[in-house]
This record gives sequence, structure tokens and C-alpha cells, in this order.
Amino acid sequence: EPEVTQTPSHQVTQMGQEVILRCVPISNHLYFYWYRQILGQKVEFLVSFYNNEISEKSEIFDDQFSVERPDGSNFTLKIRSTKLEDSAMYFCASRYRQGTYEQYFGPGTRLTVT
Amino acid sequence: SQKIEQNSEALNIQEGKTATLTCNYTNYSPAYLQWYRQDPGRGPVFLLLIRENEKEKRKERLKVTFDTTLKQSLFHITASQPADSATYLCALRSYNTDKLIFGTGTRLQVFP
Repeated sequence: EPEVTQTPSHQVTQMGQEVILRCVPISNHLYFYWYRQILGQKVEFLVSFYNNEISEKSEIFDDQFSVERPDGSNFTLKIRSTKLEDSAMYFCASRYRQGTYEQYFGPGTRLTVT
Repeated sequence: SQKIEQNSEALNIQEGKTATLTCNYTNYSPAYLQWYRQDPGRGPVFLLLIRENEKEKRKERLKVTFDTTLKQSLFHITASQPADSATYLCALRSYNTDKLIFGTGTRLQVFP
């Protein structure tokens, strides 16, 4: 069964460094998302992406964050200058097409900022 | 502000019994309500979706109800098994947005 994959599974970085989290959504899906989950807290929406542009973003997704779909398969989240409070699990998700509503999540990348 | 509440306390039940989890929301008019399963350190896994004009949805041992008057969804797992032990999340989506708003989840523990 097709699934969303994410790399790396765990990333440790120092405060102020840039990180890129990578995702390969399900191949025939058209809508892509990033969510995050701080330890012990709920899953929070960051951004949605469709037709090569951001369709919606939350207040968390400030100028330090960016997303890109550099080719036909990868979807990336970049954090330019990480802060301690960016430490969380980051989940990529994808959705098939208009008219479907379930989102399929990847296994996540655990980001630790020291 | 929008609020989605799930039982923060863990639900412990015996194998074979029916588990019932609750999701209540306020200040929100969801078009779709979804239930996900999350295992420790893993991403949410989609289970069921119910629309605002549907009262009930079933899939194998799972059943979801949706009452827009009470602003509540109930999620049932019948004939529960230890393998059903996980955290269950409800997530809401309205018509004018693509994002999911998640509840904090309820941890279910099924013991033999």
C-alpha cells in the first residue's frame, strides 16, 4: 500500500542553524501538508500546498519557514534559523484530490534543537 | 475561540468490550470530522470520516456518530483487542479551509 515517507527520522541541530525536512507524498496525491506536534501536545497545522503554491498557512508558519516541491516527488519544509521552541515531531501529509478529505500522514521527523 | 475536547484521561478496558471515545467541540462548524489512530512516536493513521449531514458511519469493528446539535462525535471500537491500544485523535475540518484541527487525543489501553 502506498505511503508517505519522511527523512530523516531524527534531526539534531543547534539553535540558529537551518534545517530541511524531506517528505515524499503518495505519488498520485495533489495536496500536501506539514503539521507539527510538540511533545505531549496536540497535532498542529502549519501549511498546505497545492498546485505549486501555498494555499493556507497558520500563524506558526512565519518567515522562518518555507516549503518547496523541487521536483515531482519531494516536498520539503525548511526552517531558516531554528529556535529551541521548534523542537517537535514534524509530520508531512498528503491528500488525493478535490472531493476527498482524508489526509495520509508520514511517520514524522523528530527535530531536536539544542 | 475554537476548542476540541477529548478525554485527557486514559481509557482502560478489557479485551472483548466496546470502547467508546468522545470528541466535543465548541465555536466551530465542521463540515467533516475524522478519527485517526496514533501510536507512540508515529504519525496519525486515518480511520474514518463522517460528514456533517451523516449521523453514523461504520467500518468493520469501528463506528462513528456525529451530532451537530450536541457538537459531539462518539467513536466506538467493538470487540476490542490489545492491538487496539493507542491514542485516538479526532480532527475537524470546515468548508472554507483545508486544514485539520486536532483534539489532544484519548489514550486507549485494552488489557487481556
